[in-house]
Amino acid sequence: GENVEQHPSTLSVQEGDSAVIKCTYSDSASNYFPWYKQELGKRPQLIIDIRSNVGEKKDQRIAVTLNKTAKHFSLHITETQPEDSAVYFCAATSNAGGTSYGKLTFGQGTILTVHP
Amino acid sequence: DTGVSQDPRHKITKRGQNVTFRCDPISEHNRLYWYRQTLGQGPEFLTYFQNEAQLEKSRLLSDRFSAERPKGSFSTLEIQRTEQGDSAMYLCASRQDLTGRETQYFGPGTRLLVL
Repeated sequence: GENVEQHPSTLSVQEGDSAVIKCTYSDSASNYFPWYKQELGKRPQLIIDIRSNVGEKKDQRIAVTLNKTAKHFSLHITETQPEDSAVYFCAATSNAGGTSYGKLTFGQGTILTVHP
Repeated sequence: DTGVSQDPRHKITKRGQNVTFRCDPISEHNRLYWYRQTLGQGPEFLTYFQNEAQLEKSRLLSDRFSAERPKGSFSTLEIQRTEQGDSAMYLCASRQDLTGRETQYFGPGTRLLVL
């Protein structure tokens, strides 16, 4: 089955700096890679996702890059703000049909702290 | 709020008791997933429903766990003879069954504590 590794486990930055979180996956059939933000005691919320037919996607201060050959993808947050402080999870799944039901395999999470 | 809802939000029970959780997905979503999240970890897949059919179960889902989605709408997850190791956040997620609509929307979760 799929295995997703996420690094670093904790990341501390100053407000205005950039933050980068990296994930690797093992299953070459995976074709959808979402990123979720989870604040303490809250539900995971999607912040950005990327499909395997593109290499990069950007949404304001957030971007995700995907390298299918190397099987890794990264989250980039620019101009960080204190409200970006949360736990971030990467995930991977295959939506290829058949018995691929789209279950998400998550990384271990990154605790991001943005200091004012 | 038309998002995914779960009930109860918190449950404290004694070891050996049975508990049941409910998930109400977004109304047009026919795919429903249950995950379990322990402290400091990412969610782990438990089981998947497409409409009322349970199509996949994780090895994590021992025979003490059972899930249903009788009419293809809400779902229940029951844990029998709870153990302290069952203490976790149980998350439900739903999505549409369309290409390009892969986003899974999560509910607020049910936090279970087994004493």
